[in-house]
Amino acid sequence: DTEVTQTPKHLVMGMTNKKSLKCEQHMGHRAMYWYKQKAKKPPELMFVYSYEKLSINESVPSRFSPECPNSSLLNLHLHALQPEDSALYLCASSQVWGFEVYEQYFGPGTRLTVT
Amino acid sequence: QQQVKQSPQSLIVQKGGISIINCAYENTAFDYFPWYQQFPGKGPALLIAIRPDVSEKKEGRFTISFNKSAKQFSLHIMDSQPGDSATYFCAAKGKSGNTGKLIFGQGTTLQVKP
Repeated sequence: DTEVTQTPKHLVMGMTNKKSLKCEQHMGHRAMYWYKQKAKKPPELMFVYSYEKLSINESVPSRFSPECPNSSLLNLHLHALQPEDSALYLCASSQVWGFEVYEQYFGPGTRLTVT
Repeated sequence: QQQVKQSPQSLIVQKGGISIINCAYENTAFDYFPWYQQFPGKGPALLIAIRPDVSEKKEGRFTISFNKSAKQFSLHIMDSQPGDSATYFCAAKGKSGNTGKLIFGQGTTLQVKP
């Protein structure tokens, strides 16, 4: 089973709201990712967690705050977002083989609209 | 150096035809090349992937051809079906420790006409 689940599927939030996106996988993968995807564009990497530690932050604004509570869960906390942050937010996970990872599996995404 | 260039941007193929999407890269340190299929409103799904020690990999109707000397790889979809209509992304990964950062192409929108 190569399933990554994400909740909620859709989220509408105002610019002053605080909300969280949730991602879960039960494949034993030790690398987890957050991506942002705009329409007709490729996924854009935001954060990478490896063994529950943040290993890559692609210069993402602080209004996005990731959290990895355990090896199966990944959260993305949102605060004071801008309308241009509206996008499909994707979670992905990979198994870690020694010092390398290969197959990366994506969840269905959360469609975020900031009003 | 870190770019992956994908072409064409869009492609229309008749049912039963062959769809071909091409990607080119510069960084010789890339060691893994996946293709993803994405339907509207869904997450990308891993379709097929290849490593540079192999020149071709086939899974069902989908084949990756890899030319290491030319630094190019392509996806061939045989007997294309309307259900294959989607956006396809190629990607490449370099030796990245345990982070697995992918560099994506810009995507190709495929339409298969019945």
